[in-house]
Amino acid sequence: EADIYQTPRYLVIGTGKKITLECSQTMGHDKMYWYQQDPGMELHLIHYSYGVNSTEKGDLSSESTVSRIRTEHFPLTLESARPSHTSQYLCASSEYPLSGGTVDTQYFGPGTRLTVL
Amino acid sequence: AQSVAQPEDQVNVAEGNPLTVKCTYSVSGNPYLFWYVQYPNRGLQFLLKYITGDNLVKGSYGFEAEFNKSQTSFHLKKPSALVSDSALYFCAVRDMEHYGQNFVFGPGTRLSVLP
Repeated sequence: EADIYQTPRYLVIGTGKKITLECSQTMGHDKMYWYQQDPGMELHLIHYSYGVNSTEKGDLSSESTVSRIRTEHFPLTLESARPSHTSQYLCASSEYPLSGGTVDTQYFGPGTRLTVL
Repeated sequence: AQSVAQPEDQVNVAEGNPLTVKCTYSVSGNPYLFWYVQYPNRGLQFLLKYITGDNLVKGSYGFEAEFNKSQTSFHLKKPSALVSDSALYFCAVRDMEHYGQNFVFGPGTRLSVLP
């Protein structure tokens, strides 16, 4: 069982609200990720981080922002939520491979299902 | 560039029958390959991975996958399907030589096991 946690699991909010989705892992992994997934659909990488003070944008453009002040914590923030942000958000973490011999299996949290009215 | 294809959106199989969920990939070098499963309202769970060595990889819940380099495939298999195997399955790939590069996930295949 992966030790990666996401809160809240479900969130329903009104348009224009600022929200932060929390993600924490206790595995000491350097690399962390945020994916956006519509129900039953493919995953889209929106942010990732190689470690503390590192954040990168993923393949899918997103209006959200992330921060990485501590290794174990990688929160995602939406400054002004809109109905188009309604989706499931999955956080994952992996070891950052320092050599080709390391395989960085990703472990996922349970997800946050966000609904913006 | 890396890419993953899962040619079937949906696979239906009767309980007790063997199942196969297909995955093909494209990388410039040698691949690391993964299978994940997602149950409703849950995150992805790691099933198995291929790094190197034996082409037949065994994973969780009785699943296995066969790496075929010539066909660039990594099909997921199980000898006898259970109703509880019904879920969404994702294949993922990373180029072995480009460590630090992100995974690429396939679009997912929905498996339905009928009682």
